[in-house]
Amino acid sequence: AQTVTQSQPEMSVQEAETVTLSCTYDTSESDYYLFWYKQPPSRQMILVIRQEAYKQQNATENRFSVNFQKAAKSFSLKISDSQLGDAAMYFCAVNAGGTSYGKLTFGQGTILTVHP
Amino acid sequence: KAGVTQTPRYLIKTRGQQVTLSCSPISGHRSVSWYQQTPGQGLQFLFEYFSETQRNKGNFPGRFSGRQFSNSRSEMNVSTLELGDSALYLCASSSTGQNSYNEQFFGPGTRLTVL
Repeated sequence: AQTVTQSQPEMSVQEAETVTLSCTYDTSESDYYLFWYKQPPSRQMILVIRQEAYKQQNATENRFSVNFQKAAKSFSLKISDSQLGDAAMYFCAVNAGGTSYGKLTFGQGTILTVHP
Repeated sequence: KAGVTQTPRYLIKTRGQQVTLSCSPISGHRSVSWYQQTPGQGLQFLFEYFSETQRNKGNFPGRFSGRQFSNSRSEMNVSTLELGDSALYLCASSSTGQNSYNEQFFGPGTRLTVL
């Protein structure tokens, strides 16, 4: 079984500043994928970034990057140059191998507020 | 390509009734997963279908069921509705079932309210 923990229920950041959202996970699988999803008030889940566990290099997507620490089972998301449109609930998720077909295990989410 | 679509977007039912939700995946996607989102329990996996076969199932009672058609469209059914079934139901599609690691693309959800 997999578990995902997001220890920050809420975070806030000033526009144009940088913020880091934390995530730790646990899985017994050796091969797995990690994701960050964003859910704005519209409730549409949007993929922000993905990391393959076998890759040591941290994934980046424009202003979004991750700090993947495999030994510590940590997967934090850094948002640079924060924008008002970044305000949303952010979910960390893991998809493990084995028989976890199509199953994402999500954390409880972090509400991000961006102040102008 | 059109995104994942879900119908209806909103539903109001009463206890004891049953409900069917529909999901059309992105064209070419053969894997469809369903999730329940509630304030208390967060996002929980219901089941996943690939090529009309249920390959994975979460920890939900048998009142929750699903199916997938040959065109990859999927439906989920909840029988004998309970108040606790009120939730946002999300459907997600993925491009290949062989690799369970592909990212999932989500629909807008169906908001179910049980009175």
